[in-house]
Amino acid sequence: EVQLVESGGGLVKPGGSLRLSCAASGFTFSPHNLNWVRQAPGKGLEWVASISSTTSYIYYADSVKGRFTISRDNAENSLYLQMNSLRAEDTAVYYCASHPPSYDLLTGFYWLWGQGTLVTVSS
Amino acid sequence: QSVLTQPPSVSGAPGQRVTISCSGSSSNIGAGYDVHWYQQLPGTAPKLLLYANYHRPSGVPDRISGSKSGTSASLAITGLQAEDEAVYYCQSYDRSLSGHVFGTGTKVTVL
Repeated sequence: EVQLVESGGGLVKPGGSLRLSCAASGFTFSPHNLNWVRQAPGKGLEWVASISSTTSYIYYADSVKGRFTISRDNAENSLYLQMNSLRAEDTAVYYCASHPPSYDLLTGFYWLWGQGTLVTVSS
Repeated sequence: QSVLTQPPSVSGAPGQRVTISCSGSSSNIGAGYDVHWYQQLPGTAPKLLLYANYHRPSGVPDRISGSKSGTSASLAITGLQAEDEAVYYCQSYDRSLSGHVFGTGTKVTVL
């Protein structure tokens, strides 16, 4: 089965750090550009970060730039999001989402989504 | 904050047609970037509904359609069914923000 499975969410205090992981299975991972998208409780979708298939291109939303780092390991079929200096407004369900293979990183669409992992930032 | 504006809600009786608008600007939809649409059922992850303005992925029925003109796009659902009750989001690229942008989301209610 083609799927993405996120893990690593949880409760963290303001100023703390968390590392999210996304494991891919059922498809060849390496040609796909990958993304993190989040959704605060009861709110809409917000793009967080994107990384190209070879890691040559990385982009961040202004709201997380300088605090979050996206990375991937094609050998392990995994995507990561290192989140530092967390704030209450970072509380959300974080989804990893894949573009179709070889589709443009910036103008592409989210072909496959994970089920999401909840990050709660609270003291 | 979202740079693509959608109506908060639309509703229709079973069998009717509803449309959802997605209004952008000259830095995203108006710049020629494609618009994509997602459906989010309650408590689940979003699912791709339309890509590149009007293309349907495998498994999406042809009563779902999309169009784009100028700085706006729209999604139409004909023959409305109870299973269509969900929140719908448009998405594009914004060259001023150098990133992906989503619409504000529209809740579809089947009366």
